[in-house]
Amino acid sequence: DQQVKQNSPSLSVQEGRISILNCDYTNSMFDYFLWYKKYPAEGPTFLISISSIKDKNEDGRFTVFLNKSAKHLSLHIVPSQPGDSAVYFCAAAIYNQGGKLIFGQGTELSVKP
Amino acid sequence: DSGVTQTPKHLITATGQRVTLRCSPRSGDLSVYWYQQSLDQGLQFLIQYYNGEERAKGNILERFSAQQFPDLHSELNLSSLELGDSALYFCASSVSALAKNIQYFGAGTRLSVL
Repeated sequence: DQQVKQNSPSLSVQEGRISILNCDYTNSMFDYFLWYKKYPAEGPTFLISISSIKDKNEDGRFTVFLNKSAKHLSLHIVPSQPGDSAVYFCAAAIYNQGGKLIFGQGTELSVKP
Repeated sequence: DSGVTQTPKHLITATGQRVTLRCSPRSGDLSVYWYQQSLDQGLQFLIQYYNGEERAKGNILERFSAQQFPDLHSELNLSSLELGDSALYFCASSVSALAKNIQYFGAGTRLSVL
């Protein structure tokens, strides 16, 4: 039972344009969401998070949007840079049930110069 | 460098064998997590320890066990290994046991069961 889904295994974007990565979840108990970025041969690195009491959180070029009614979140990267090329994982948690994260399968982003 | 150290980086073994994966968390972090990433899959949560005590458990097989020692390092023991256990095993650490605390990941141990 895949509670967090990233339906696009890959995404290719031109440098300078917007990258939009999508994530859907099924468990309505999830109330905290995160995005991690992973380069080859490295562990995932935290990127940005959002609590369910918000619908948007911004950090520099990265913005996460949360649509609770649709059980959908997205990560926007503007402008995209070649160094953003990596695998992006979304993850969800139940805030008061410890740090257990449920990850999606990942989306591989390729930003072309 | 996340500050989380995992050893070994690679492990090749045979079916039926037992292996131990080791994780040293970031200095000051009390919580350790173990995740498994199989081919083309996301990271699957296995188990969490906080200050030596088991805090949360995922779909961890009975053949797998873990512990966190007084110096806060953690070990994941995998026994009676099967081909399907081949995967990347990640350890992460955070300052406390709450989801809001960033989890810092090690580079992983790649296990190949032949």
